[in-house]
Amino acid sequence: RKEVEQDPGPFNVPEGATVAFNCTYSNSASQSFFWYRQDCRKEPKLLMSVYSSGNEDGRFTAQLNRASQYISLLIRDSKLSDSATYLCVVNTFSGGYNKLIFGAGTRLAVHP
Amino acid sequence: GAGVSQSPSNKVTEKGKDVELRCDPISGHTALYWYRQSLGQGLEFLIYFQGNSAPDKSGLPSDRFSAERTGGSVSTLTIQRTQQEDSAVYLCASSPEGVERLYNEQFFGPGTRLTVL
Repeated sequence: RKEVEQDPGPFNVPEGATVAFNCTYSNSASQSFFWYRQDCRKEPKLLMSVYSSGNEDGRFTAQLNRASQYISLLIRDSKLSDSATYLCVVNTFSGGYNKLIFGAGTRLAVHP
Repeated sequence: GAGVSQSPSNKVTEKGKDVELRCDPISGHTALYWYRQSLGQGLEFLIYFQGNSAPDKSGLPSDRFSAERTGGSVSTLTIQRTQQEDSAVYLCASSPEGVERLYNEQFFGPGTRLTVL
């Protein structure tokens, strides 16, 4: 079983749609969680951190369920510019080191 | 300000040759990470430097891979006797981790695309 698992997609949605991505992780000791966005042939960039209480940034909402070891990302009112791969990232700090595990990513394609 | 830079942007080499990939992190960032990403795959952790501490090398796939970070700044990833399966994009990231080493956002460079013929 992979340490961080994501549905690879692709998710093909029309502009204006709401789309949700899920991610599960296997290490219950993981402490911090993130969503990164990666455009085609570009480097990943931080989209948002994920907090236990859930957090929102404009059209994006992230949720964390520690009991189920599950993270989600909701995108409302999708734009063409949202087309990208979304990477779920889980960090475990242990022995003085941060260890980040990246999911393989979920690809989103928003069409007119 | 200047972001993370990597060089070369593209490298084509023949099987069996050695290659060196360079990363210049953002000034003042204490943490530096190397990853590789094969086509259509997620990021695979390779190595992590934090300040003057011994690096976490747990992700290096074989003893053909090594990395160093001089003066707490520039880092070089070396792959000896390259194999075709080494072909990938090699990404470097830096992070302003604090004294407690709590994780902060990673800033990625544009990557080096390595092709081994």
